[in-house]
Amino acid sequence: EVQLVQSGTEVKKPGESLKISCKGSGYIFTSYWIGWVRQMPGKGLEWIGIIYPTDSDTRYSPSFQGQVTISADKSISTAYLQWSSLKASDTAIYYCARRQAGSRLDYWGQGTLVTVSS
Amino acid sequence: QSALTQPASVSGSPGQSITISCTGTSSDVGGYKYVSWYQQHPAKAPKLMIYDVSNRPSGVSNRFSGSKSGDTASLTISGLQAEDEADYYCNSYTSSNTLGVFGTGTKVTVL
Repeated sequence: EVQLVQSGTEVKKPGESLKISCKGSGYIFTSYWIGWVRQMPGKGLEWIGIIYPTDSDTRYSPSFQGQVTISADKSISTAYLQWSSLKASDTAIYYCARRQAGSRLDYWGQGTLVTVSS
Repeated sequence: QSALTQPASVSGSPGQSITISCTGTSSDVGGYKYVSWYQQHPAKAPKLMIYDVSNRPSGVSNRFSGSKSGDTASLTISGLQAEDEADYYCNSYTSSNTLGVFGTGTKVTVL
């Protein structure tokens, strides 16, 4: 069974750093891109970026370029999304998902709620 | 890259059929057969319902169907049921970037 399991809820202060994770199982982790998607409170889905775990080839949405860093450790089948300096506007649920050809996301993690507040 | 345009809300009575539209441009919806649809219940992760315009993943009810005409894709839910009440998002491959572009989302209400 394909599963993506994300790390738990985070509560941070503005300016702090954060790294959240997404662990894949039930499939060959290095054979598929992993995508990250943001959902701000009461809002829709937004692409953040994607990573190919085999070689860590990474692509970012222009809106997120320079704001976050996506990485992966293929030895433990885990992808990461990190911030060096959080802002209140980063408050959102962040989802990882397995990306297939044609941009479809066929399996999703349960989401990680990140709250940034002073 | 602007989000694809979806109606904010669509409603129907149990047993009826409803259709949700997803309008883009020739650079995304109109240019590729790579439109997917996602269902999201409150406080849950999205779930893939349709991919490549009209294909259903294993386990998805055949009450859900997808189509495309020009720059507009559509998701039809037939035999509407209470459990179909959720938010729905389209996504399309786009020539503007290598990620894709989501729709604005549609809230489906079962009356």
